[in-house]
Order: sequence, then C-alpha cells, then structure tokens
Amino acid sequence: QVQLVQSGAEVKKPGSSVKVSCKASGGTFSSYIINWVRQAPGQGLEWMGRIIPILGTASYAQKFQGRATITADKSMKIAYMELSSPRSEDTAVYYCASGGYCSGGTCNQNNWFDPWGQGTLVTVSS
Amino acid sequence: QSALTQPRSVSGSPGQSVTISCTGTSSDVGGYNSVSWYQHHPGKAPKLMIYDVSKRPSGVPDRFSASKSGNTASLTISGLQAEDEADYYCCSYAGTYTWVFGGGTKLTVL
Repeated sequence: QVQLVQSGAEVKKPGSSVKVSCKASGGTFSSYIINWVRQAPGQGLEWMGRIIPILGTASYAQKFQGRATITADKSMKIAYMELSSPRSEDTAVYYCASGGYCSGGTCNQNNWFDPWGQGTLVTVSS
Repeated sequence: QSALTQPRSVSGSPGQSVTISCTGTSSDVGGYNSVSWYQHHPGKAPKLMIYDVSKRPSGVPDRFSASKSGNTASLTISGLQAEDEADYYCCSYAGTYTWVFGGGTKLTVL
C-alpha cells in the first residue's frame, strides 16, 4: 500500500506564495494520481485539484483555477500544491490523497481518495 | 461547483442505526455512480469508508452501508459504537475530472 508523506507546517504572510509537497513511498505502481483537499478551521473538506504525474496534466476546482498550481516530479514521486497570494481565509490543513495509479503508461483513475497524507497546516497571518 | 448538502449533525445511542443523507444534482450525485464516504476524526487524516456508491474497502465493518437514489446518496451506520463518533463527508465525481464534497455531518454517539 502506498504511503503519502507531506511536508511540515508553514506560516506565511498574506501575499507570499506557499508550496506543500506530498511524497509517495512504497506501493506497487510507478506513479499515483494525487489530489489535494483542504479543510479550513470549522469548515468541511474542499477538493482543490489533482494531477496525473506521468502526464503532467492537472485539473482544478473552479474556485482554485488560477490561484493554485499542482505539479509533480514524477521521478521522485513527489507532488506539489502551490497557492499564490494566500490570504487569511486560506489558513487550513491541506491534505494530499491518492485518486488512482499509473503503470506501464496507462492510468487507472479512481473516483475516490485513498490513502491520504497526514495533512499540512498552513497558517496565513500578518 | 456547489458543495453537496448534508445534515449538520445526527445522533444515536449505542446499538442504534443512523442514516446520513447527501444531496446533490444531476451533474454530480445523480449523474455518476461515483459517490464515496469518508470518516474524519479531528486531527487525523480522513478515512475512506465507502466508494462507488455502496462498496466497502477491506477492513471497513459491514455495519457501514450506503446507497443512492436519484440525486441523493445515503450512508447508514448500524449497531452504533462509541468509536463511530466523527465527522462524515460524502464526495461525488462532478464531471470533467472534478470532484465535490458535502459540507460534512457530525455524528454524536449519545
């Protein structure tokens, strides 16, 4: 079973960008489809976007189009989520989660998320 | 992409059953057999409980069951146990490689 390990907590001032990483280790397949989900304090889960690392293709929720950029280093099995010009409302725990896998050039997309990373708290405060 | 609608809270006594609803539209819940459910204890990562509307991953007790009718999906937990107390979220594929979560339901075991 693949494990997803995320980078540590971040404190950022409004307007600076923040980049969170998610490294896949173990598992049977060459690459995993990675989704990003966040949870602001007192709020629910919110799907942000996802990437297929071997293709480099990303899709985003409308809310995050143009503000979040999801990339991946397929050789290192690391995915990144960068949020530009964060504001206080972007204070949240950011999770990565697997939405499928790729092997031998073909990908199997799952319409569910499993497993999840441990979460990264991003605090945006002046 | 509006969030799916879930009740804010439900409660039940140990041994009882509770059902959590998740209402969307024909563009998400009603349009695809791709609803999943997650259990989320504060401070931990969410856990997949149901996928593809009604399938249970291995290791999830059969006390958890789910279904869908039209634009509404439902999660039923029978034989409630104290450890079931958590937040529960539904999620649906919404087309064009996008997904949408419900607002979450807090389950209290009395």
